[in-house]
Formats: sequence, C-alpha cells, structure tokens
Amino acid sequence: GAGVSQSPSNKVTEKGKDVELRCDPISGHTALYWYRQSLGQGLEFLIYFQGNSAPDKSGLPSDRFSAERTGGSVSTLTIQRTQQEDSAVYLCASSLSGVSNQPQHFGDGTRLSIL
Amino acid sequence: GESVGLHLPTLSVQEGDNSIINCAYSNSASDYFIWYKQESGKGPQFIIDIRSNMDKRQGQRVTVLLNKTVKHLSLQIAATQPGDSAVYFCAEDSGGSNYKLTFGKGTLLTVNP
Repeated sequence: GAGVSQSPSNKVTEKGKDVELRCDPISGHTALYWYRQSLGQGLEFLIYFQGNSAPDKSGLPSDRFSAERTGGSVSTLTIQRTQQEDSAVYLCASSLSGVSNQPQHFGDGTRLSIL
Repeated sequence: GESVGLHLPTLSVQEGDNSIINCAYSNSASDYFIWYKQESGKGPQFIIDIRSNMDKRQGQRVTVLLNKTVKHLSLQIAATQPGDSAVYFCAEDSGGSNYKLTFGKGTLLTVNP
C-alpha cells in the first residue's frame, strides 16, 4: 500500500517565480492537510481539505499561497511570486477522515529553495 | 495563543538504555495527542497516539504517558537502538472543525553505539 506521495522532492527556483507542489494522498483518505516546516522548526499548518467541503485556509500566510484538490484526491499547493522566506519543506498529510482521533500520515515533503 | 512545547531540545543516550522525551501542552481542550518520529530528509512518521480519556498507552518498545492534571505528555522508548536516532515531535489536536495538529519544535534524540 502506497503512502502519501509528494512531488517534486526538491525544487530550486528564482525569487518571483511561481511554483506548484503536488500531493497524492493515501487511497481512501478523505482528509488532506498541508504543513510547512522551516529549518529546525515544528510544523506550521497551512490548509485542510475534507471531502467536498470548503477548505479551511486559515493557515495560509498570504494571498500568494493557494491550494486546490481535484476529484477529492490529488492536491496542488501553488505559491505565486515566491520570496526567499518561502524557502522551507512543504509537507502533505492525509487521514482516513476529518475527525479527531485519526492519525495523520505524512509524505516526505518538497524541499523548496528560493534563490 | 496556546501551543505545544518540549522541555528538552536534545537528548543523547547509550544504545540499550531507555529514553524519555517530554512534552508540555497548554490547551486544556485538546483531547488527542500523537508522537511522530522524523528522520533526516523524511516526513514525520506516526509512532503512537493517545486519547485524553487514557493516561497510558503501549506500543512496540514505546509507551506514551498522559498527565492531564499538569498537561504533560511523555514518550518512553525501551532499549533504545541507533535506528531510533531522529527528531521526535509531539502534536495535539487543537480542536475546532478541522482537527489540525499543533506541533512542538521537536527533540533530537541521538543514540550512541
């Protein structure tokens, strides 16, 4: 059984460019989360999708960040006009359903570096 | 705001010893807690979880203890092995309608052979 898959694993881009990060959750998991992890820091919640409900975007740091989830499966996190402070590891997680007491399972992340 | 924190940023132990990693939380409404292990270049890996109606839960070589009175969580690893070397995060279900997790900054565990 495949785990959460993220691509690319590494991304280096110039300041001002747009980037797209992809997440393929575990099959059957209806809840999907994006987190950001800066060097030596814990994980910072970004956005949450649950089924066909409107996503919870309360963690997105600015309007340059957006995410979508098509068909209730694959999700894409887009960062427009990237800045150096966007450099971090972006982690995706999924869980069986968006209720408490369900562990979130993580992918290995995309390591984003903004030059 | 309320957050999860860790008492020790680093812990170094000898192979075969038992390890204890501690975590304090401040959100009294949290009712679900998870420990994750993160190795270099990898995503967090689920280790064990516990609900607030329990005070102890055991897994394979790991035990999580929850003390709601003092809002304290600990992870005990028995017979620590070099492969246990990693950063360990505690996380709490911070409530609300999305069940997002709030993470501490992590403890680096180093196991010396």
